[in-house]
Amino acid sequence: SQKIEQNSEALNIQEGKTATLTCNYTNYSPAYLQWYRQDPGRGPVFLLLIRENEKEKRKERLKVTFDTTLKQSLFHITASQPADSATYLCALGEYSSASKIIFGSGTRLSIRP
Amino acid sequence: EPEVTQTPSHQVTQMGQEVILRCVPISNHLYFYWYRQILGQKVEFLVSFYNNEISEKSEIFDDQFSVERPDGSNFTLKIRSTKLEDSAMYFCASSDGSLTKNIQYFGAGTRLSVL
Repeated sequence: SQKIEQNSEALNIQEGKTATLTCNYTNYSPAYLQWYRQDPGRGPVFLLLIRENEKEKRKERLKVTFDTTLKQSLFHITASQPADSATYLCALGEYSSASKIIFGSGTRLSIRP
Repeated sequence: EPEVTQTPSHQVTQMGQEVILRCVPISNHLYFYWYRQILGQKVEFLVSFYNNEISEKSEIFDDQFSVERPDGSNFTLKIRSTKLEDSAMYFCASSDGSLTKNIQYFGAGTRLSVL
């Protein structure tokens, strides 16, 4: 069956450290993978996209990697801040279903001062 | 910055009633979407809409659901004969039509409570 799994439901780290979130997929052939941030009671907000032929993308303190052999994406937040506390969602899109993206269940990240 | 707006923010209805959730996508966007998020669960794709017709739909989007773009700005989700399990947050999203990226811009959601 098809699955998108984010490795931990919750992650707690100390301010200033690097947060690393994992997204693994099974039985998908993604054309791209996206990462979104969701705050409580709000809609997801797009952060980064990485395509199947890309290894790494960066934006400010954010970095995402994509390994199609391992079927995994890693999302890093460096120099984490309490304001980074939120749920982070990975999502993927396939060539076969071009207008549809499928979300993972998310990882709730808490940054403690 | 342009944004997707949804109304109402909270809708309470009795089981068996029909509800219409409304959305105004970003004006120059071409694809429109509805997603559902049951409390504590993941965001689930319901339907995508392009050029005045459904582009894709999930197995959740059965005959109980319908979508419409009644004019040049609104995009609606109608749920007929609501059930208790329809209680969820419903998000509308839009994208600019670049399907190689398909970046979704979400509204703040409508919380539907079926009693």
